[in-house]
Amino acid sequence: DAGVIQSPRHEVTEMGQEVTLRCKPISGHDYLFWYRQTMMRGLELLIYFNNNVPIDDSGMPEDRFSAKMPNASFSTLKIQPSEPRDSAVYFCASSLSSGEDKAFFGQGTRLTVV
Amino acid sequence: AQSVTQPDIHITVSEGASLELRCNYSYGATPYLFWYVQSPGQGLQLLLKYFSGDTLVQGIKGFEAEFKRSQSSFNLRKPSVHWSDAAEYFCAVGALEGNKLTFGTGTQLKVEL
Repeated sequence: DAGVIQSPRHEVTEMGQEVTLRCKPISGHDYLFWYRQTMMRGLELLIYFNNNVPIDDSGMPEDRFSAKMPNASFSTLKIQPSEPRDSAVYFCASSLSSGEDKAFFGQGTRLTVV
Repeated sequence: AQSVTQPDIHITVSEGASLELRCNYSYGATPYLFWYVQSPGQGLQLLLKYFSGDTLVQGIKGFEAEFKRSQSSFNLRKPSVHWSDAAEYFCAVGALEGNKLTFGTGTQLKVEL
C-alpha cells in the first residue's frame, strides 16, 4: 500500500477563493482524520470519520470549513471562502478500529492563502 | 479532556550526546501514548507507542520512552544522537476510539556537529 495520499502537496490561493484538499486513506482503514498544523497552535484535530460518517467535527474552526467522505477511499476538506489565517499544513491520517494501533499520516498539504 | 504538554520548544544537543525530550499528559483513563517525528517538509512518522505492559518502550532509530504513571510522563530518550535526528518531535495521547490523537506542541531538535 502506498500509504495515506494527500493532494495537492502545496496550494497557493488568493483570499476569498475556494480550496479543496484531498485525501486517500490506506485501504481497509475505517477511521480518517483531518489535522491542521500551525506555528501558533501546533497540531489540531479538525474532524474525524468512522466508516465514512463524521463522528466529531468540534475542531472545525468555523462554517467556512467542511469535510466529506463520500466513500471509504476518498475524503475532502474544503475551505470556502479562504482567508490568510487558514494558511497551515493540513494532514490527513487513517487508522484501524482498534485503539491499539497507530495512525498513519499523509505528507500533508501546505496551504498558503495570500 | 486529554492534553499533552511538551515543555521544551527547542533543544540543541551535540552529535553523540544523549537526548531526553519531555512529555507530560493528562488523561482520564489508561492512556495510549505515542511519539512521532516530523522531518522538514514531511509527514509524521511513528517512533514508538505505549499501550500497556512494559513501561519502557523501544522504538525505531534507537529511540526509547518510559511511561511513568505517577508522574504522568512519557519522556523520549536516545543514548547517542545522530545529525540525522534533527527534526521536530511530537508527543501524543490517543483515545481508544480509532486513535483520535491529541498532540503536544512539539519540540524542535537541533543537532550540532
